[in-house]
Amino acid sequence: EPEVTQTPSHQVTQMGQEVILRCVPISNHLYFYWYRQILGQKVEFLVSFYNNEISEKSEIFDDQFSVERPDGSNFTLKIRSTKLEDSAMYFCASSEAVGSGEKLFFGSGTQLSVL
Amino acid sequence: GENVEQHPSTLSVQEGDSAVIKCTYSDSASNYFPWYKQELGKRPQLIIDIRSNVGEKKDQRIAVTLNKTAKHFSLHITETQPEDSAVYFCAASLSRANNLFFGTGTRLTVIP
Repeated sequence: EPEVTQTPSHQVTQMGQEVILRCVPISNHLYFYWYRQILGQKVEFLVSFYNNEISEKSEIFDDQFSVERPDGSNFTLKIRSTKLEDSAMYFCASSEAVGSGEKLFFGSGTQLSVL
Repeated sequence: GENVEQHPSTLSVQEGDSAVIKCTYSDSASNYFPWYKQELGKRPQLIIDIRSNVGEKKDQRIAVTLNKTAKHFSLHITETQPEDSAVYFCAASLSRANNLFFGTGTRLTVIP
């Protein structure tokens, strides 16, 4: 069964440093997402991406965040200057289409720790 | 925006008993309601979903019910097994997009 893959599984960084989280969505999927989950809290939507541009973004997704699809397979989330409160599990997801009932498939996540 | 509430936060049941997890949502425009199971350290996995034109859906031991008037939906697991132990998240989304609004999760423990 196809899966969304994410690398690295764990990332430790110093406050103020830039990090790039990488994702390879399922190959025939067209819509891509980033979510995050702070320890013990709910999964929160960050951004959705389609046709090489952002479709939706949440209040969390401020100017420190950016997303990119640099080639035909990868989808990245960049945090320019990390803060302590950015520490969380970041999940990438993809779906074949958008609209009511289109299933999202999640990757296994990148645990980001900002020191 | 949409706000999803989930109860209980923890639930322990004896193996073979049923488990029920309940969620409410705030935006009447939400019309897709998936449930995800997340085992420790693993990705959330879709286990069942329901759309607003359906009141109930069943898949083997798992069922979901939806009451659009009351804006709540529930997950029912019958004949629970130890491997059902996990954190379960409900979610809701609007028709125009797939952005999921998640509940806070329920940690289910099935005691052998």
